[in-house]
Amino acid sequence: EAGVTQFPSHSVIEKGQTVTLRCDPISGHDNLYWYRRVMGKEIKFLLHFVKESKQDESGMPNNRFLAERTGGTYSTLKVQPAELEDSGVYFCASSPGLINSPLHFGNGTRLTVT
Amino acid sequence: AQSVTQLGSHVSVSEGALVLLRCNYSSSVPPYLFWYVQYPNQGLQLLLKYTTGATLVKGINGFEAEFKKSETSFHLTKPSAHMSDAAEYFCAVSALSGGYQKVTFGTGTKLQVIP
Repeated sequence: EAGVTQFPSHSVIEKGQTVTLRCDPISGHDNLYWYRRVMGKEIKFLLHFVKESKQDESGMPNNRFLAERTGGTYSTLKVQPAELEDSGVYFCASSPGLINSPLHFGNGTRLTVT
Repeated sequence: AQSVTQLGSHVSVSEGALVLLRCNYSSSVPPYLFWYVQYPNQGLQLLLKYTTGATLVKGINGFEAEFKKSETSFHLTKPSAHMSDAAEYFCAVSALSGGYQKVTFGTGTKLQVIP
């Protein structure tokens, strides 16, 4: 089966610009998660979709971040306008959603805001 | 609420030596525990998981971990380190939150293997 794919793999933008990250989960996985890791710190939860619905977005830093999952398939995470502190690696993961199911991760998008 | 603590952000071992990466968790419900490994420029890959049953869990690449409820620990070990084990390792706990799976990660431990 195809794994979780994310693109772009790297993005370098200037402060104030907009960036959109995309994640394609494993087919059939209803649960999709976004995480972020900033410079060697913990992998921090951003939000969780169940199909097209946002189940938990408690980790979203502020309203400059907008996530969507239209049709319950792929998801996008838009940052607008980007700030310096948004730099980091954004990971997407998908899962069938059972409590004992491991998350399947994409390779991440490394975002650098200059 | 759940949390994971990984002691030691960096661990160095000699090739052939024992690898021990520490993980302690906090969970209000019986936890499901995972170890993931991340190689440079790649995503996280599952090493092993504990759900129920046997407390000693074997994973890929010769790694294993033991769930100790009394110590709230899930330390990762490998008897003999190989150069290819150099990577970053993450401990994670999964629990139900609002009826759905929520996974919380530790801060990671970077393993260096010295030839």
